[in-house]
Amino acid sequence: DTEVTQTPKHLVMGMTNKKSLKCEQHMGHRAMYWYKQKAKKPPELMFVYSYEKLSINESVPSRFSPECPNSSLLNLHLHALQPEDSALYLCASSQYYGGYEQYFGPGTRLTVT
Amino acid sequence: GIQVEQSPPDLILQEGANSTLRCNFSDSVNNLQWFHQNPWGQLINLFYIPSGTKQNGRLSATTVATERYSLLYISSSQTTDSGVYFCAAEQTGANNLFFGTGTRLTVIP
Repeated sequence: DTEVTQTPKHLVMGMTNKKSLKCEQHMGHRAMYWYKQKAKKPPELMFVYSYEKLSINESVPSRFSPECPNSSLLNLHLHALQPEDSALYLCASSQYYGGYEQYFGPGTRLTVT
Repeated sequence: GIQVEQSPPDLILQEGANSTLRCNFSDSVNNLQWFHQNPWGQLINLFYIPSGTKQNGRLSATTVATERYSLLYISSSQTTDSGVYFCAAEQTGANNLFFGTGTRLTVIP
């Protein structure tokens, strides 16, 4: 089973709202990732967790706050977002960090109004 | 980070035709993946191929790591092959996956 699940599928939020995106995998992978994809662009890495510790933060604004409560679960907490943050947010996992095949979830399509 | 370039950017094919998509990368890699992104945004893994050749049904891929390119072959294309094909590479020692800008494939009946 190579499934990564993400909830919700769609999210519409106002600029003053607080919401969270959730990602789950049960493949025993020890690395998990958040990517952001704008329309007609490739995915771009935001965060990497390795063994539940934040390894990479690609200069992402603090209104995005990642959390890895356990080895299967990854959250992305959203607060005071801007309309330009509207995008497809993709979660991925791999067996370990560095050189291993990454598997992606179906994504959450976020619209900020 | 590593530079990843894909060509062509757009491709229109008649159903049943064959095609070759190319991915050039700027440094040595320890991960090279091909993905198909469907209209709903799901990235579907096609190949994990940092070197060598692999085949899966009508699709095959070859990576020549020493010359820093990878090719994805699609034979007997079907309308369901339509979508965006991404190549993504991870530079040896750098550990982050960088995506090319993609090839948008449209297969017409």
